[in-house]
Amino acid sequence: EAGVTQSPTHLIKTRGQQVTLRCSPISGHTSVYWYQQALGLGLQFLLWYDEGEERNRGNFPPRFSGRQFPNYSSELNVNALELEDSALYLCASSFLPSQSNEQFFGPGTRLTVL
Amino acid sequence: GNSVTQMEGPVTLSEEAFLTINCTYTATGYPSLFWYVQYPGEGLQLLLKATKADDKGSNKGFEATYRKETTSFHLEKGSVQVSDSAVYFCALKAYTGNQFYFGTGTSLTVIP
Repeated sequence: EAGVTQSPTHLIKTRGQQVTLRCSPISGHTSVYWYQQALGLGLQFLLWYDEGEERNRGNFPPRFSGRQFPNYSSELNVNALELEDSALYLCASSFLPSQSNEQFFGPGTRLTVL
Repeated sequence: GNSVTQMEGPVTLSEEAFLTINCTYTATGYPSLFWYVQYPGEGLQLLLKATKADDKGSNKGFEATYRKETTSFHLEKGSVQVSDSAVYFCALKAYTGNQFYFGTGTSLTVIP
């Protein structure tokens, strides 16, 4: 069974540019989560999508946005990039109904903003 | 509300030493509890989990017991190896809904 996949693996952008990161969940998973992991910091929760809707949002500015498609894949968009947006962006998926089901993480997208 | 508090790192141990990483939580209802591990340059992997009070999760020599009375889920390993060097995250999944809450992570370095 394929795991969570993310693309691209690495990305280099300059300040002010816009970026789109992509995530494909495990087949059958309806929930997708996005996290930011800046160097030396823990996981910062960004967004949670389930069944195409945004369920919750972390403490990030509106220039961080996303969406979930009917096939449950997801995009994370970041506008007006700033230097501090440089981080590893992790996507995770899970299956909603069971309370014991864990999140499965992708390998991440390493974003560098110059 | 729901939250997870993890022991501050970094932790440095010699090979074969005993490991404990403390994790306590605050939650409404009865959450599920998880430990994830992140090896250098990789995403997070599930290490172990426990879904109800007194459950013990175990994997690769690591153990953690869900203690409702102390709201804790401490990670332990009797004899660490160099290959255990990683960042460890404690997490809870709320009883209602599908929201996960992660601790800040504890970096472990095991030296030969």
